[in-house]
Amino acid sequence: DQQVKQNSPSLSVQEGRISILNCDYTNSMFDYFLWYKKYPAEGPTFLISISSIKDKNEDGRFTVFLNKSAKHLSLHIVPSQPGDSAVYFCAAILNYGGSQGNLIFGKGTKLSVKP
Amino acid sequence: DSGVTQTPKHLITATGQRVTLRCSPRSGDLSVYWYQQSLDQGLQFLIQYYNGEERAKGNILERFSAQQFPDLHSELNLSSLELGDSALYFCASSVGDRHYSPLHFGNGTRLTVT
Repeated sequence: DQQVKQNSPSLSVQEGRISILNCDYTNSMFDYFLWYKKYPAEGPTFLISISSIKDKNEDGRFTVFLNKSAKHLSLHIVPSQPGDSAVYFCAAILNYGGSQGNLIFGKGTKLSVKP
Repeated sequence: DSGVTQTPKHLITATGQRVTLRCSPRSGDLSVYWYQQSLDQGLQFLIQYYNGEERAKGNILERFSAQQFPDLHSELNLSSLELGDSALYFCASSVGDRHYSPLHFGNGTRLTVT
């Protein structure tokens, strides 16, 4: 049973436009969320994170929005650039009453930004 | 370059065999994590070591084991290999022992079991 779902396997966007990558989760005990980006033949690299006590976190062209009531988060990239073409993984951390849980990853969304 | 080194990059072996994957963490990082990425799957957490001690365990099979040595490098041992063990195996490291710290991933070892 997947606890972190990225329902769109792929997304294609024109350069300069906004890219919106979505992620849904099922467990309300997740208290921290992260996005990782992965290029072919490389390992994932950390992009941006958000705590469950916030609803938005911004870092340059990247903004993550969290809607706890809907158990949904999204990553916005504005403006999109061809170098953003990669697989984006959403990940979440469970908090068992203060004990650390493990990172649980979605299956990823492949973003293609066309010049 | 994440600073995390994984060797070998590729490994092809037969069913029933045993292999060892090696990981050198980023300088200064005390935690090492192992993840498995099978075809069409997200990254599955296997195990974490912090400063030589096992800290957390995920869906790691009993045929798999790992350890972290005094110099902080880590090895993942996979035995009695099955076709379904074919996957990308990633090692990651972080300074602390909590997953809230961003992980720095190596480029992975691609294991093919024939």
